[in-house]
Amino acid sequence: GDSVTQMEGPVTLSEEAFLTINCTYTATGYPSLFWYVQYPGEGLQLLLKATKADDKGSNKGFEATYRKETTSFHLEKGSVQVSDSAVYFCALSDRGRDDKIIFGKGTRLHILP
Amino acid sequence: DTGVSQDPRHKITKRGQNVTFRCDPISEHNRLYWYRQTLGQGPEFLTYFQNEAQLEKSRLLSDRFSAERPKGSFSTLEIQRTEQGDSAMYLCASSFAGEGYNEQFFGPGTRLTVL
Repeated sequence: GDSVTQMEGPVTLSEEAFLTINCTYTATGYPSLFWYVQYPGEGLQLLLKATKADDKGSNKGFEATYRKETTSFHLEKGSVQVSDSAVYFCALSDRGRDDKIIFGKGTRLHILP
Repeated sequence: DTGVSQDPRHKITKRGQNVTFRCDPISEHNRLYWYRQTLGQGPEFLTYFQNEAQLEKSRLLSDRFSAERPKGSFSTLEIQRTEQGDSAMYLCASSFAGEGYNEQFFGPGTRLTVL
């Protein structure tokens, strides 16, 4: 079945460092891809999405590009802030069916001031 | 703000007891999803409704679990004879199924602890 694999955490960086969180997927169809974020004590929020190959999703300085040839959707940010500390989930949804979301296990990110 | 709401936010129960959770979706959203998130894991799909019809159930949803959406608005998730392995965060999400991409909006979750 469909699945998502993302790099394990925790990831600890200093403020203003460059961030990459790797994500690869397996899907039988042509999925939409997402990054969700869960800040401490808060609910799950959609960070960004991409619905077709070569699309770049972006939000709050984060970016991810839908790479069909490598089945990847890596999350990047050029300069992280302490407020970016959270758990990040890569996810996919098989469009045109039930739209249920399949999540990766999550990567906890700690940003040190 | 009329986002997805869930009640209760926290529930502590003893093994063997029954529990029921409620989810109120965003108004006019016709799809409603239930997910379960255990510690250190991503959310896992349990079931979903389109209007009042339950269209899919995951194999994770044992016969002790039942979900309803009687009028196509709010939904309830009941767990009978709870077990310690049921301890998790139960998340509800809603969306409007139409043309193209249908974003799911998540509620804050109900954290269940089974003693």
